[in-house]
Amino acid sequence: EAQVTQNPRYLITVTGKKLTVTCSQNMNHEYMSWYRQDPGLGLRQIYYSMNVEVTDKGDVPEGYKVSRKEKRNFPLILESPSPNQTSLYFCASSLYGDGRRDTQYFGPGTRLTVL
Amino acid sequence: RKEVEQDPGPFNVPEGATVAFNCTYSNSASQSFFWYRQDCRKEPKLLMSVYSSGNEDGRFTAQLNRASQYISLLIRDSKLSDSATYLCVVNAGNMLTFGGGTRLMVKP
Repeated sequence: EAQVTQNPRYLITVTGKKLTVTCSQNMNHEYMSWYRQDPGLGLRQIYYSMNVEVTDKGDVPEGYKVSRKEKRNFPLILESPSPNQTSLYFCASSLYGDGRRDTQYFGPGTRLTVL
Repeated sequence: RKEVEQDPGPFNVPEGATVAFNCTYSNSASQSFFWYRQDCRKEPKLLMSVYSSGNEDGRFTAQLNRASQYISLLIRDSKLSDSATYLCVVNAGNMLTFGGGTRLMVKP
């Protein structure tokens, strides 16, 4: 089944404790991205990657890191989480993602709480 | 000003009604336009792309007005299952910008 998977789905952590949220897609998509969704602010893009070893900042990259060592994986790293990073996070992928008419496939989301 | 703006709603409509949502965008270089549907705190899913000439998919019709920089979504004969949040999405270059979403509630 073609899909985007994220782990963990739910995470409660404390300020400053490094964490990684994994994202994997099995569709051989070139483009992958991370979003956070907050009430009243909608979905905002954190980072995106157009291919292996190519990553770029989105609208809200501060406090996050990403890497794209393999085409299928795009982990999101919070080196020192803070309470303002409490949010619902979505990973997404698309075949090209370069402005063409391209469907974004989203993972099921990770609900992160930072105490 | 937000790059992509939507009326958050909620739009409360009876079954069978026709409802329309608008979305405005600020970046005139925007190239691709989409409507996504999101059920309560689940992942967004593509509803339909929006083409310059307008396009229809069953009960759903999308329109794009580049001059005025807005897109619209029309839902005819609303079903209970249409209750969701509808996200307007605009693609300029390599980034996607999402509107805050419009919540639709279809009542029996």
